[in-house]
Amino acid sequence: ETGVTQTPRHLVMGMTNKKSLKCEQHLGHNAMYWYKQSAKKPLELMFVYNFKEQTENNSVPSRFSPECPNSSHLFLHLHTLQPEDSALYLCASSPERTDTQYFGPGTRLTVL
Amino acid sequence: SQQGEEDPQALSIQEGENATMNCSYKTSINNLQWYRQNSGRGLVHLILIRSNEREKHSGRLRVTLDTSKKSSSLLITASRAADTASYFCATALMNTGFQKLVFGTGTRLLVSP
Repeated sequence: ETGVTQTPRHLVMGMTNKKSLKCEQHLGHNAMYWYKQSAKKPLELMFVYNFKEQTENNSVPSRFSPECPNSSHLFLHLHTLQPEDSALYLCASSPERTDTQYFGPGTRLTVL
Repeated sequence: SQQGEEDPQALSIQEGENATMNCSYKTSINNLQWYRQNSGRGLVHLILIRSNEREKHSGRLRVTLDTSKKSSSLLITASRAADTASYFCATALMNTGFQKLVFGTGTRLLVSP
């Protein structure tokens, strides 16, 4: 275990649903990240938060909306997703923005 | 093509054998990291090598970095069935103080008992 938890571990949703993914770390890390991992594609960085401030938005569609209420929690709000958004969504954290990243186990998302 | 590309895409060996995976990249880096991922799970950091280092060891892992060739290799010695996983290199690029990790597509390693 890396100390980064994600819930839920599996999620199936329709295209009209609204759901949220949650990430939590109590490692005292200041930076948190959302990644998307699709089959046969490299891991894609979606968002970066540093000290609760968003510092990177990697041209992610607005149907994905991140929220970082404090340094320990990170959410990814989902609405009107497309089937091609089905993937493994990974959260990571690091002590600072220039350090090794610690990954959660991921949420396997299926959009019907 | 992406910054980091691993080779081979898949590797199948017997327990006790050594496994070597290679990574090539295109631009200057701050450091290069190797991660491991068990099927459908999160990534686990294995080792980090900085741009001014040439070789690093951690247990059964040996990583080399050749910045002139923009390549790195990961050697796992005396492999075990539990080493079966996907292995990714990630190049760390500095961008206005933020370290952006760019991952390759990975090498799938299968170690048979």
